[in-house]
Amino acid sequence: DAGVTQSPTHLIKTRGQQVTLRCSPKSGHDTVSWYQQALGQGPQFIFQYYEEEERQRGNFPDRFSGHQFPNYSSELNVNALLLGDSALYLCASSSRRQGGSNQPQHFGDGTRLSIL
Amino acid sequence: GNSVTQMEGPVTLSEEAFLTINCTYTATGYPSLFWYVQYPGEGLQLLLKATKADDKGSNKGFEATYRKETTSFHLEKGSVQVSDSAVYFCALSGGSNYKLTFGKGTLLTVNP
Repeated sequence: DAGVTQSPTHLIKTRGQQVTLRCSPKSGHDTVSWYQQALGQGPQFIFQYYEEEERQRGNFPDRFSGHQFPNYSSELNVNALLLGDSALYLCASSSRRQGGSNQPQHFGDGTRLSIL
Repeated sequence: GNSVTQMEGPVTLSEEAFLTINCTYTATGYPSLFWYVQYPGEGLQLLLKATKADDKGSNKGFEATYRKETTSFHLEKGSVQVSDSAVYFCALSGGSNYKLTFGKGTLLTVNP
């Protein structure tokens, strides 16, 4: 049973560029959340997708956008990259159908994004 | 809004020592509480959870009890091992709020 998979593992970009990160949820999960984890900090919630719609959003600017596909996989897009966007980006999946917010989220190993 | 406060690290212990990592929270309603562990270079792994008051979550020798009266969910282990060295995060979610709110994390180093 595959867990949450993310690609790529590492990415180096320069300021002003755009980036797309990808996530496949754990089998049986229908909900995907994205988090940003700066060095030495706890993960910060970016947004959550369910039924191909953004359902909740954290305190992140519009430069951060996403998408969920019919097979439940998801993409995170970041435009006009800033140095401060350097972080580990974590994808987590869960199942709203199986119990909502009480269900634990399962995390991938993340994408390490470095902005030069 | 929701918030989680964890004890500041780093925490350094000798093998077989007793571990406590304090976690308190602020939330409306009745949140679910979680402990996640992050090993170097990896994502977060769920360690244990509790979904209602007085529930005790346990896994791999770790335990935490959901205390509503003190809004706490302290992590404990009776005898730590070198392999327990990692960063530990306390987190909550609840009600219509599906997002996880995390504490800042506590780095644990266990020496042989």
